[in-house]
Amino acid sequence: QKEVEQNSGPLSVPEGAIASLNCTYSDRGSQSFFWYRQYSGKSPELIMSIYSNGDKEDGRFTAQLNKASQYVSLLIRDSQPSDSATYLCASSQGGNTPLVFGKGTRLSVIA
Amino acid sequence: DAGVIQSPRHEVTEMGQEVTLRCKPISGHNSLFWYRQTMMRGLELLIYFNNNVPIDDSGMPEDRFSAKMPNASFSTLKIQPSEPRDSAVYFCASSVPLQRGEQYFGPGTRLTVT
Repeated sequence: QKEVEQNSGPLSVPEGAIASLNCTYSDRGSQSFFWYRQYSGKSPELIMSIYSNGDKEDGRFTAQLNKASQYVSLLIRDSQPSDSATYLCASSQGGNTPLVFGKGTRLSVIA
Repeated sequence: DAGVIQSPRHEVTEMGQEVTLRCKPISGHNSLFWYRQTMMRGLELLIYFNNNVPIDDSGMPEDRFSAKMPNASFSTLKIQPSEPRDSAVYFCASSVPLQRGEQYFGPGTRLTVT
């Protein structure tokens, strides 16, 4: 069974610090990996995608992928209170195939 | 550009009633996905379509659930008869063809079955 595992948190970090979110996946056929942010009562919002080993940076966000270890991470630099949300890690086999989601890590940025 | 549109946003119904959820994908997206989110199970795939054709409905919980996509701009998810355990948030998502699978979610329908 394809699974994505995340620590449910809550992860609390002070404003301005780096938040580090991690997930592991079980399906070695996974090709595409995503991080979604979900505010309470809202829908998931895509914030990062990564497809090859290494790092990918976009503004304050850096996604990291290690396919050998089946590990994906998201770093948020200079964390802001507005970053407080649940972060969902997802994988897929690429193309237009379904996403398999972790249950999310709740992040709280303390001002 | 308009994002994925879902209606209704909230639905409260009594057990045994029929419920129909609606979704309009982003124009030009040819894959459409229905997910359900609960506290216990998180986000789970129910069914997805490529070019209006259902590809995988193995996530549909039982025969009470059905989904259609009569054209590229409209899909429905129907529950008949509804049960209290169907209470959840139902999301529709769409993705661009020949890309790497980035999916964009609608606002969701919060269903409560009493």
